[in-house]
Amino acid sequence: LAKTTQPISMDSYEGQEVNITCSHNNIATNDYITWYQQFPSQGPRFIIQGYKTKVTNEVASLFIPADRKSSTLSLPRVSLSDTAVYYCLVGGTGTASKLTFGTGTRLQVTL
Amino acid sequence: GAVVSQHPSWVICKSGTSVKIECRSLDFQATTMFWYRQFPKQSLMLMATSNEGSKATYEQGVEKDKFLINHASLTLSTLTVTSAHPEDSSFYICSAGGLVIFNEQFFGPGTRLTVL
Repeated sequence: LAKTTQPISMDSYEGQEVNITCSHNNIATNDYITWYQQFPSQGPRFIIQGYKTKVTNEVASLFIPADRKSSTLSLPRVSLSDTAVYYCLVGGTGTASKLTFGTGTRLQVTL
Repeated sequence: GAVVSQHPSWVICKSGTSVKIECRSLDFQATTMFWYRQFPKQSLMLMATSNEGSKATYEQGVEKDKFLINHASLTLSTLTVTSAHPEDSSFYICSAGGLVIFNEQFFGPGTRLTVL
């Protein structure tokens, strides 16, 4: 499974756009990129998944360059409730695929 | 989305006792469930893959005789921590998969185990 590298932590003010970049140099051809969010003492929650280019849903956007060796999760206009740990994972899609969590990025949003 | 529950949400036990944690998929059938352990301020560590009707597959370094996993039905997997010790105190999280129409796994809310 491809290893991922993310910043350990990030700080932002409420209302700003936050971009979290993840490096995955050894991503395989069949691998997808998935981002999860985790609040303290809760299980992770799926945010977004993509294979290439750009994916957008109601909560975030995911930008993937052509070489797919990195990806950027973009959170528009964050609020205090977006304070959480964000994990970038790469691997096969499908719900029976084993997931390997990296260190994650601890995002702290303040007023 | 699909819902995964865990029971209990927290448990405190004495050293040497065994504790069973249940993971249920409430509105879908899960042929595969995963068990994770998470220590404070750390990431999730995959412990084992639970497959309905067959033996679980454990990750390297995880003692299968200590962490017993049973996946007897398509909606229930259990993790039993046998002869628990204080170092087993952790946050245990399960996730469920098995539906080909979804491209995500659904995680339970976690179980906080404290061994005294």
